[in-house]
Amino acid sequence: DSGVTQTPKHLITATGQRVTLRCSPRSGDLSVYWYQQSLDQGLQFLIQYYNGEERAKGNILERFSAQQFPDLHSELNLSSLELGDSALYFCASSVAQNTGELFFGEGSRLTVL
Amino acid sequence: LAKTTQPISMDSYEGQEVNITCSHNNIATNDYITWYQQFPSQGPRFIIQGYKTKVTNEVASLFIPADRKSSTLSLPRVSLSDTAVYYCLVGDVNQFYFGTGTSLTVIP
Repeated sequence: DSGVTQTPKHLITATGQRVTLRCSPRSGDLSVYWYQQSLDQGLQFLIQYYNGEERAKGNILERFSAQQFPDLHSELNLSSLELGDSALYFCASSVAQNTGELFFGEGSRLTVL
Repeated sequence: LAKTTQPISMDSYEGQEVNITCSHNNIATNDYITWYQQFPSQGPRFIIQGYKTKVTNEVASLFIPADRKSSTLSLPRVSLSDTAVYYCLVGDVNQFYFGTGTSLTVIP
């Protein structure tokens, strides 16, 4: 158990819909990262927050957005969903913003039908 | 951005030592090298991190030559449960990009 909690674990929805994925970082961790992993694909870095502020953007689509709240939990919002958005979405947290030691949650598996 | 290159796959017999090499020619001065292990449908798990020379912990060793353009993860006496994908990761400011990883299969 990494200490990072992601909900929901599984989500099935239809194209065009909007979903929100939630992440609670480890206690004391200020940095949150979101990654997308499609079937047979590597981990794609989406976005990073540190203590409530966006610090880095990776390959995140404009249909996707995220935020980190004052209690440090984070949400990833995916809208106008397409079939290709079906993937595992991982959240990771770390104490600082530049450390390479990330603690990953178990992921949220999104299926778009 | 420090791009990493690893072998796509490797096979090893149980009980053998496995060495996985990662190439990162344009590593920056402040970058650390980190390795992660991932099982199917699970989040990656931190294995080891280093900056230069050699680092060892209870599960692996990491060898980094003086020029830091490559690194080698060494797994001693692998077992079937070490079958997983191993990612080499080079830190870049606030972004951590995973490469394609090396799929290690341990054979009985």
